[in-house]
Amino acid sequence: ETGVTQSPTHLIKTRGQQVTLRCSSQSGHNTVSWYQQALGQGPQFIFQYYREEENGRGNFPPRFSGLQFPNYSSELNVNALELDDSALYLCASRRGGGSSYNEQFFGPGTRLTVL
Amino acid sequence: TQLLEQSPQFLSIQEGENLTVYCNSSSVFSSLQWYRQEPGEGPVLLVTVVTGGEVKKLKRLTFQFGDARKDSSLHITAAQPGDTGLYLCAGLTGNQFYFGTGTSLTVIP
Repeated sequence: ETGVTQSPTHLIKTRGQQVTLRCSSQSGHNTVSWYQQALGQGPQFIFQYYREEENGRGNFPPRFSGLQFPNYSSELNVNALELDDSALYLCASRRGGGSSYNEQFFGPGTRLTVL
Repeated sequence: TQLLEQSPQFLSIQEGENLTVYCNSSSVFSSLQWYRQEPGEGPVLLVTVVTGGEVKKLKRLTFQFGDARKDSSLHITAAQPGDTGLYLCAGLTGNQFYFGTGTSLTVIP
């Protein structure tokens, strides 16, 4: 069983640019969530996709957008990058998308640096 | 907005000591998970608790879910340097997980 993978591992961009981060979910998982984590802090929920539709969103501006594909892999897009967007971006996958209990598993993350 | 507050935020102890990390909220969660994260890596799931009052043991780690499903604790017995890391709790409410503020643990040999 393949775990959650993310690419790239590291990325350096300049202010105003756009970035796309990618995530492959664990086999059998149809729900993908994206998180932003600043150094030494807990992850902040960005949004979640279930069967190719967004079904939850945290307190992030519209320039943070995403997609989920039929194979349940996902992309996180950030437009007009700001310095404060520098962080570790984490993807997590799990089964189900409703309110039922299930466990989520994380990828290794993408470290984004905005200069 | 952090629904879950963890305490302490930082903890530095000697090898062999015991410690407890707390995860508190005013919200009710249908389940709660604990993770350990090392620098530059994603969080690794340690345990999931579902029932109020539930206690789970994982070797030297003991996890408890509060009776009202609003809080949780993680107790580590005889800490070892390999326990060093950032410990995170995450509660599930609705269909979303909300993370705690994190506890950075350092175990000194």
